[in-house]
This record gives sequence, C-alpha cells and structure tokens, in this order.
Amino acid sequence: NAGVTQTPKFRVLKTGQSMTLLCAQDMNHEYMYWYRQDPGMGLRLIHYSVGEGTTAKGEVPDGYNVSRLKKQNFLLGLESAAPSQTSVYFCASTFRQGPFGYTFGSGTRLTVV
Amino acid sequence: KQEVTQIPAALSVPEGENLVLNCSFTDSAIYNLQWFRQDPGKGLTSLLLIQSSQREQTSGRLNASLDKSSGRSTLYIAASQPGDSATYLCAVKRGSTLGRLYFGRGTQLTVWP
Repeated sequence: NAGVTQTPKFRVLKTGQSMTLLCAQDMNHEYMYWYRQDPGMGLRLIHYSVGEGTTAKGEVPDGYNVSRLKKQNFLLGLESAAPSQTSVYFCASTFRQGPFGYTFGSGTRLTVV
Repeated sequence: KQEVTQIPAALSVPEGENLVLNCSFTDSAIYNLQWFRQDPGKGLTSLLLIQSSQREQTSGRLNASLDKSSGRSTLYIAASQPGDSATYLCAVKRGSTLGRLYFGRGTQLTVWP
C-alpha cells in the first residue's frame, strides 16, 4: 500500500537551474494536486489535474509547469528556479466523486541557492 | 474565497490533559472537512474526515465535530500523550467535484511528560 510517493525527497538547486518533481499514486485517483508549504503561509495550491491529460492553475502557479501524461503520475517542473521557490512541496490525490478525503505524499524539500 | 483559521497557533500542555483545537471557516458551503497531523519534516497524515451532513467523527482518543452553519470544527484529544506532539491542520473541501482543499495554518501542539 504505497499510496502517494514523491521523488526526490530533498534537492538543492542553483538559481536558474531546472528540475522536475515526480508524484506517483497507486490508488486509481482521478484528481491530483501540487501544494507548497512555507512557514507562516500554510499550504497553497500550485496546480492540479482532474484526469489524464488535463491540468489547471491553482493559487500560486507562476514559475511552475505540470504534466499528467499518465493517470498515476503528476509532474511538477521548475524551468528556472528562483530562491523564492525554496519550499516544501506536497502532492495529494483523491477520487473524483464520493465521500473521500485526500492522501498526501511525504513531501519534497527544495532549496534554491 | 474560503478562509480557514485555526486557534490557537500553538499549545503546550502536560501529559494527560484533554484538549480542544479549533478551526473556523468563512464559507459554510463545504463538502467535507478533514483534520491532518504533520510531524516535523514529514508529510500530512489524515486523522478524521467529516462529511458536511455529519456532526462528528471519532477515532480512538480523537473526536472531531462540525457545525457547518456557524463555520466551526473542533478536534478533541482525550488524555493527551507526548506522542501527540505535532502540528494539526484543518482543511475544508468546497464542492463535491473538483473541490480543492483550503487549509488553516495549523496548531502546533506540544505535550510534555
């Protein structure tokens, strides 16, 4: 019962570098989300997806891109990392309908220097 | 826009105390409310999920109540233990489908022996 798996768990980037964070879920969830968590700011939604091949912007989408080529995977990309993107990133997923809650991954701690 | 507030921001209690964590939300048109626990440097673990039609949910020493009309939820922890020390997050889901989660900033709980 893996649930939601995020890779990598830690990463240090230099300003201007690019990287991709991977989220994988094995629960057949239709909806997937990327959040960032910053001290004093709580969790904020970056992008989300309601199904394979679809993505949409959340609350703080600037500087990020996403793709959902397969139902089980949701990728978050940083094309040109900035120090303001230093944060902890969480992926979450849930079913499209029904009285279900959200399942979160363990997070990726990203530092941009 | 839905705003979620958690009070208190921090709480420090001796072992054995019964305690209440509060969560309030501005828009009562929610689908469900979920309480999470987050340990330092870790991901979010779901504790309790309350549907909008429910008044409370219980799991072990935890009891969560929901009063949708007043925009409030409480998490009651009975006979607190040092292992309960963590940050507790409240999140509301708006809408039955495509509903994103709106998070409070959490209550940081410390239970000392």
